[in-house]
Amino acid sequence: EAQVTQNPRYLITVTGKKLTVTCSQNMNHEYMSWYRQDPGLGLRQIYYSMNVEVTDKGDVPEGYKVSRKEKRNFPLILESPSPNQTSLYFCASSPNDSGSRDTQYFGPGTRLTVL
Amino acid sequence: GDSVTQMEGPVTLSEEAFLTINCTYTATGYPSLFWYVQYPGEGLQLLLKATKADDKGSNKGFEATYRKETTSFHLEKGSVQVSDSAVYFCALSDQNRGSTLGRLYFGRGTQLTVWP
Repeated sequence: EAQVTQNPRYLITVTGKKLTVTCSQNMNHEYMSWYRQDPGLGLRQIYYSMNVEVTDKGDVPEGYKVSRKEKRNFPLILESPSPNQTSLYFCASSPNDSGSRDTQYFGPGTRLTVL
Repeated sequence: GDSVTQMEGPVTLSEEAFLTINCTYTATGYPSLFWYVQYPGEGLQLLLKATKADDKGSNKGFEATYRKETTSFHLEKGSVQVSDSAVYFCALSDQNRGSTLGRLYFGRGTQLTVWP
């Protein structure tokens, strides 16, 4: 089944404790992206990647890191989480051919709480 | 910059009522327009899209027409069902400007609740 998977689905942690949220897709998509969803703000892009070893900042990159060592994986790293990073996080991917580049496939979400 | 504005929710309707969720956009080029839907506890999934002016996207009884003159992409359904209860997001992509970014810009989402 074609899908985007994220782990963990739920995470409660404390301020300053490094964490990684994994994202993996099995559709051979070049483009991958991370969003956070907050009430009243919709979805905001954190980072995106056009292909392996190519990443760039989205609208709200502060406090986050990403890496893209393999095409299928795009982990989100919080080196020193803070309470304002409590949010619902979504990973998404899309193919890079011109006909479908702009349709994105979303993972199920990771709900993160930072105490 | 590019942005999307959609009507504030929540929207509460009875089953079989007519639904409209308004969406307007700001873009310098000719973006593609989308409606995504998020069912409770799930990620977003594409509902419909339109890539050029006057195109109509449709799926599962939902429709939206790309109106360049009013910069709008309103979502409509003639008869909603309880199973349509979800959060609906309007979005645009700057892909058609020739950019390779493929970024999506989302509205804030509209919560729809349909009662039996």
